[in-house]
Amino acid sequence: EAQVTQNPRYLITVTGKKLTVTCSQNMNHEYMSWYRQDPGLGLRQIYYSMNVEVTDKGDVPEGYKVSRKEKRNFPLILESPSPNQTSLYFCASSLHGRANNEQFFGPGTRLTVL
Amino acid sequence: AQSVSQHNHHVILSEAASLELGCNYSYGGTVNLFWYVQYPGQHLQLLLKYFSGDPLVKGIKGFEAEFIKSKFSFNLRKPSVQWSDTAEYFCAVKGSNTGKLIFGQGTTLQVKP
Repeated sequence: EAQVTQNPRYLITVTGKKLTVTCSQNMNHEYMSWYRQDPGLGLRQIYYSMNVEVTDKGDVPEGYKVSRKEKRNFPLILESPSPNQTSLYFCASSLHGRANNEQFFGPGTRLTVL
Repeated sequence: AQSVSQHNHHVILSEAASLELGCNYSYGGTVNLFWYVQYPGQHLQLLLKYFSGDPLVKGIKGFEAEFIKSKFSFNLRKPSVQWSDTAEYFCAVKGSNTGKLIFGQGTTLQVKP
């Protein structure tokens, strides 16, 4: 089944403890992206990747890192999480970045930073 | 600055009522426009999209949207809503030559049976 998967789905952690949220897609998509969803703010793009080894900042990249060493995976790294990063995170992918492609979203990761 | 604005934050309708959700965007250049839906506890799914051609686009589940370039708008409509349409709806814009996708704040639709 074609899908975007994220792990973990739920995570509670403490300030300053490094964490990684994994994202994987099995559709051979070139483009992958991370968003955070907060009430009243909609989805805001954190980082995106047009292809392997190519990443760019979205609108809210501060406090996050990403890497794209292989096509199927696009992990989101929080080196030193803070409470303001408590949010619902979505990973998405599409066939190409610049073309008119629909983005497919993962199920979301709910992160709480205490 | 690039932005998307959804005017209605929370809409409550009775079943069979007509729906129109507003979406305006600010973006220089050619745009691609999307409406996504998020049912309770689920991830986002594409409702419909506009890239070029006929400005009236039809999507899944009886939804449609009209792109009015002069008004920078892409409003979502449905003639008769159902209880199962209860969800959050997001408008989004993407430049034709960029990887950035910009979402509006979202509109929560509650349909009463």
